Amino acid sequence: RKEVEQDPGPFNVPEGATVAFNCTYSNSASQSFFWYRQDCRKEPKLLMSVYSSGNEDGRFTAQLNRASQYISLLIRDSKLSDSATYLCVVIGFSGYSTLTFGKGTMLLVSP
Amino acid sequence: DTAVSQTPKYLVTQMGNDKSIKCEQNLGHDTMYWYKQDSKKFLKIMFSYNNKELIINETVPNRFSPKSPDKAHLNLHINSLELGDSAVYFCASSLDNLDEQYFGPGTRLTVT
Repeated sequence: RKEVEQDPGPFNVPEGATVAFNCTYSNSASQSFFWYRQDCRKEPKLLMSVYSSGNEDGRFTAQLNRASQYISLLIRDSKLSDSATYLCVVIGFSGYSTLTFGKGTMLLVSP
Repeated sequence: DTAVSQTPKYLVTQMGNDKSIKCEQNLGHDTMYWYKQDSKKFLKIMFSYNNKELIINETVPNRFSPKSPDKAHLNLHINSLELGDSAVYFCASSLDNLDEQYFGPGTRLTVT
């Protein structure tokens, strides 16, 4: 199993749709989890942290399932401006630090 | 006020040259990182420093050498540049090594 895996997409959805991304990780000692967004030719920017209790920020909801070792991102009521690549990040420490970005899932929202 | 800055933004150079990319953060963070994003858009960590101490050192050629003169700066020096080094290099910082990261705008390196 790869360290961090994401569906590469692209996900093509119409405006207003709900879309969900999953990210699986292999290191059970992982401690911190994040979702980032990267626009074309720009730097990644933090979208949200992911907690075991789940967290929501407007149209975005992130969940962590430690038992199954995956994190998810749900986007409701998609906007054109949501078109970007979404990257999950898994950070751990088991004697040494590990930090892995997923390869990203591209989202294209069309009118 | 730019939180994480990198210079230069673009760098075009010939094979065999030595070049440096500078990174500075004014966020008071303890941890800084260098990433390489290649043409396939995969973002891969290269190095991480926490309070000037190297904590992540992924398998990169030893032509790449990070230097952290203080915890606000993490520079990347590359010797004997090769065609395969062409990529976008991102610097980032975080409060500590488990916290969210803030990225610089990237340095687009082209080796000809």
